Amino acid sequence: NAGVTQTPKFRILKIGQSMTLQCTQDMNHNYMYWYRQDPGMGLKLIYYSVGAGITDKGEVPNGYNVSRSTTEDFPLRLELAAPSQTSVYFCASSQNSPGELFFGEGSRLTVL
Amino acid sequence: GNSVTQMEGPVTLSEEAFLTINCTYTATGYPSLFWYVQYPGEGLQLLLKATKADDKGSNKGFEATYRKETTSFHLEKGSVQVSDSAVYFCALDRQTGANNLFFGTGTRLTVIP
Repeated sequence: NAGVTQTPKFRILKIGQSMTLQCTQDMNHNYMYWYRQDPGMGLKLIYYSVGAGITDKGEVPNGYNVSRSTTEDFPLRLELAAPSQTSVYFCASSQNSPGELFFGEGSRLTVL
Repeated sequence: GNSVTQMEGPVTLSEEAFLTINCTYTATGYPSLFWYVQYPGEGLQLLLKATKADDKGSNKGFEATYRKETTSFHLEKGSVQVSDSAVYFCALDRQTGANNLFFGTGTRLTVIP
């Protein structure tokens, strides 16, 4: 099994550009999450989903959008990139609660 | 709301030294508690967990005991190895459903030969 796969691994954006971070899991997990990791700040939850067609805001949703059209995919959209969105983004999935979160390898985004 | 406070790093130890990384929590009720580890260039992985008071989670020589008296979940290992060098995150279940975890700020451990 591939687990949780994120693309791209690295990306540089200009202010105001838009992009989508892709996330796919092959474990048939119901729950999926997007976190951002800033230096010395731990992980902050951006959005999460408890199943196809259902999404909810986390701690820091402003500037982002998500969709969950299938169980496997949970893309994160940045519409108007800002320097404050420079971070490492992690996608994760889990089957139940409380349970183990399985993380992707991360996507490092720089906005200049 | 539920949260954790984690010992700040970085921590540098010699091989075979004893490790303690402190984690205390604030919560209503008794949420599940976790330690995750992040090796360089990788995503986080679950190291161990405890789901109720007095439970001890253990894995790969690491241990942590869920102590409600001191609201703590400190991570310990008796003899660290160079391969243990990583960032360690304490986390707890916010108890809002959907396995919504609050992560601490992380503690970077470097083990030198």
